[in-house]
Amino acid sequence: AQSVTQLDSHVSVSEGTPVLLRCNYSSSYSPSLFWYVQHPNKGLQLLLKYTSAATLVKGINGFEAEFKKSETSFHLTKPSAHMSDAAEYFCVLFSGGYNKLIFGAGTRLAVHP
Amino acid sequence: DAGVIQSPRHEVTEMGQEVTLRCKPISGHDYLFWYRQTMMRGLELLIYFNNNVPIDDSGMPEDRFSAKMPNASFSTLKIQPSEPRDSAVYFCASSFLGGPQNEQFFGPGTRLTVL
Repeated sequence: AQSVTQLDSHVSVSEGTPVLLRCNYSSSYSPSLFWYVQHPNKGLQLLLKYTSAATLVKGINGFEAEFKKSETSFHLTKPSAHMSDAAEYFCVLFSGGYNKLIFGAGTRLAVHP
Repeated sequence: DAGVIQSPRHEVTEMGQEVTLRCKPISGHDYLFWYRQTMMRGLELLIYFNNNVPIDDSGMPEDRFSAKMPNASFSTLKIQPSEPRDSAVYFCASSFLGGPQNEQFFGPGTRLTVL
């Protein structure tokens, strides 16, 4: 079965503190994994993508994610949150068997001054 | 490039009416995707096209929904007749080569409200 689970529906951090958004996946195939961000009233934008190259993937705006096969995880991190990071974040699995993207339920990140 | 363009941005209609959502993909992109986003079900793929040909429409909820892509620069998603449970944000996305696993560029969405 192919699935994506985002472990937190809401995360709240203070500006300047680290961000951790958690994602676990299940896939019968070698996974391709993505993080997309959605700012209010906007479409989704790709943050970063893992496709079986380096396990630590760097994305835009200082975000990075580490693919851990043993833990079936692909958590998103950022060392220091900025107010502009407040948005909804989606962990996404590409299912080779179904040839389509499978979206997690999303994590809403709030950043406080 | 203007990105993926969707129209209208907001649509309010009454149950039973026909609704047509429009999408212009990024020039040169050969894949086009229609998604629906609701609080209850999250983001769902409805249908996608490759080179104007529908490849997978298994996500289309029922016969009331139809999508067309008459040329490389235009696609429509039609709901006829519309029902209140169709209220959602509908996104169009496009990508270049490689299929759904390549980066998809999303439009701003159409917020549909069916009364």
